[in-house]
Amino acid sequence: EVQLVESGGVVVQPGGSLRLSCAASGFSFDEYTMHWVRQTSGKGLEWVSLITRDGGSTFYGDSVKGRFTISRDTSRNTLFLQMDSLRTEDTAFYFCANERSKVFENWGLGTLVTVSS
Amino acid sequence: EMVMTQSPATLSVSPGARATLSCRASQSVSGNLAWYQQKPGQGPRLLIYGASTRATGIPTRFSGSGSGTEFTLTISSLQSEDFAVYYCHQYETWPPGTFGQGTKVEIK
Repeated sequence: EVQLVESGGVVVQPGGSLRLSCAASGFSFDEYTMHWVRQTSGKGLEWVSLITRDGGSTFYGDSVKGRFTISRDTSRNTLFLQMDSLRTEDTAFYFCANERSKVFENWGLGTLVTVSS
Repeated sequence: EMVMTQSPATLSVSPGARATLSCRASQSVSGNLAWYQQKPGQGPRLLIYGASTRATGIPTRFSGSGSGTEFTLTISSLQSEDFAVYYCHQYETWPPGTFGQGTKVEIK
């Protein structure tokens, strides 16, 4: 059974940093491009970032470019999202998902990040 | 910028009835459209990709149709577990594609 388990979401002050993790199991982690997608009640689902299977290429949404960094550790089957210079508008549930042919095949339950003073 | 518009925002349906959800793209996405189901406290679940192909394990009561700019998700006979929010997602422009704002299917 495919499982994606996000963790690391907490309350953080504006300007702060946070690192999210996504533990993957039940599939060949190194064969999938991985993504972070976030969700707010106001803006719905918003794609954040992707990293290719070998970690050689990364892409970011305009709203997080230059502040967030995606990475992966294949030896630990884990995906990461380093979030710096956090803003109140980054408050959201953050999901990791694996991708096959541009389709988000499986998603985790999400972790809540709250940016507030 | 590609915009995906879903309608209606909320659909009230009786159990056992048919539900028809619409998704319109601001420009053609060919057949590069997926549908996802999301229940409270869960991440989205892939239902349909390629506009009409059911994902693994998805019941046959779910069907997708359309191409270009107009797409439909049909649930032929609503079961209690089908009451949820449904999102369309185009992946013609990638990354990252564009999500619709969702249609909530609620019990009538």
